[in-house]
Amino acid sequence: QSVLTQPPSVSGIPGQRVTISCSGSSSNIETNIVNWYQQFSGPAPKLIIYDINQRPSGVPGRFSGSKSGTSASLAISGLQSEDEADYYCETWDDSLNAWVFGGGTKLTVL
Amino acid sequence: EVQLVQSGAEVKKPGEPLKISCKVSGYRFTNNWIGWVRQIPGKGLEWMGAIYPDDSDTRYSPSFQGQVTISADKSIDIAYLQWRSVKPSDTAMYYCTRLFQGRASMRFWYFDLWGRGTLVTVSS
Repeated sequence: QSVLTQPPSVSGIPGQRVTISCSGSSSNIETNIVNWYQQFSGPAPKLIIYDINQRPSGVPGRFSGSKSGTSASLAISGLQSEDEADYYCETWDDSLNAWVFGGGTKLTVL
Repeated sequence: EVQLVQSGAEVKKPGEPLKISCKVSGYRFTNNWIGWVRQIPGKGLEWMGAIYPDDSDTRYSPSFQGQVTISADKSIDIAYLQWRSVKPSDTAMYYCTRLFQGRASMRFWYFDLWGRGTLVTVSS
């Protein structure tokens, strides 16, 4: 059971906007930054959002992040077929003194 | 080019020892913490622990404390993850990853670069 809760799956059609939620608690998301990783089948995860809403160089502006209280969200606008992947949220947990990940959300582009 | 190159896939029998590696290039090895992340097939990501190669300061997730040992050799820019005795439940992909330390506290860090992973299979 992951410390951070994500929906197992979301789906959307090309061009649509989808959001992936990440629910935590006062010991993790509420007090710390949230980061998001994208993982295609097989390859290693890739950082796509850091510090809640910052994008590394090369990540399209269609990806954005936000946080409110004990929850965070990843939004993908103008959905493309190449966005089909697994997405993970991650943050520091003050109680565990550990980095924790969400269980992952599989995005399907219909 | 900045790279984290991991050792090849391993197949082990229960009870055997195992040590996998992560060779760093393209940046100063001693400047950043290196973390290890487990991914059981079909499952999510789990942080196992991390090491600061400059002084070998090591932190472990409570879930992995005592189960594995993380080490580093700064003379050859390699980090290691090892088991004294593997179990079938250790079957997983293991990633090494660099921690970007934007500010002093760990709560502000994140995993900015990842190796391609080492697949470990434990079976009798």
